[in-house]
Amino acid sequence: EVQVVESGGGSVQPGGSLRLSCAASGFTFNSKAMNWVRQAPGKGLEWLAYITDNGRTMYYADSVRGRFTISRDNAKDSLFLQMNSLRDEDTATYYCARDPNVISGKPAGYAMDVWGHGTTVTVSS
Amino acid sequence: EIVLTQSPGTLSLSPGERATLSCRASQSVTKNYLAWYQQKRGQAPRLLIYGASSRATGIPDRFSGSGSGTDFTLTISRLEPEDFAVYYCQQYVSSPPGVTFGGGTKVEIK
Repeated sequence: EVQVVESGGGSVQPGGSLRLSCAASGFTFNSKAMNWVRQAPGKGLEWLAYITDNGRTMYYADSVRGRFTISRDNAKDSLFLQMNSLRDEDTATYYCARDPNVISGKPAGYAMDVWGHGTTVTVSS
Repeated sequence: EIVLTQSPGTLSLSPGERATLSCRASQSVTKNYLAWYQQKRGQAPRLLIYGASSRATGIPDRFSGSGSGTDFTLTISRLEPEDFAVYYCQQYVSSPPGVTFGGGTKVEIK
């Protein structure tokens, strides 16, 4: 079964740090780009970061650039999100999501076809 | 910054009716790289449509996407009980590179 499973969420004080992990299985992880997306309570989806299949290129949303770092370990089929200088507004459910690159022979156009169930991060004093 | 505006915010319909959801971009979407997702309460998003009009694997044909440039539409031809959910559009932005989501449309039972 193709799946990704997030972990590492929890409660942290403002200014603190947290590292999220995403374990992939059922597909060739090192051939797929990956994303982190979050959703604050009762709000919509917010894309955070993207990393290419080889880990050499990363993109970030303005809201997290300079504070969050996306990385991956292809030998361990794992994706990470290092979150520093956390703020109250970072409270959310964090999802990792796969970019399939191609679906049924067509460019996927940076769509995300496999999502985890999410891990919850609460930033509060 | 490219913004995706979804309308209406909420759509109240009955099972069997047709749903038409709009997603408008503030600038032309790169290569029509526009996707649609469905999210039910307490669940992760589910990819429905990619490339503006291609259905993802396993998605019923009552879901269809159309549009180009700055105006895109998701149509659900006949609403099933399981289709009542929140729908998001998403685009790829090339400069600076990244992804943005629309604010969502909630399809609720009338």
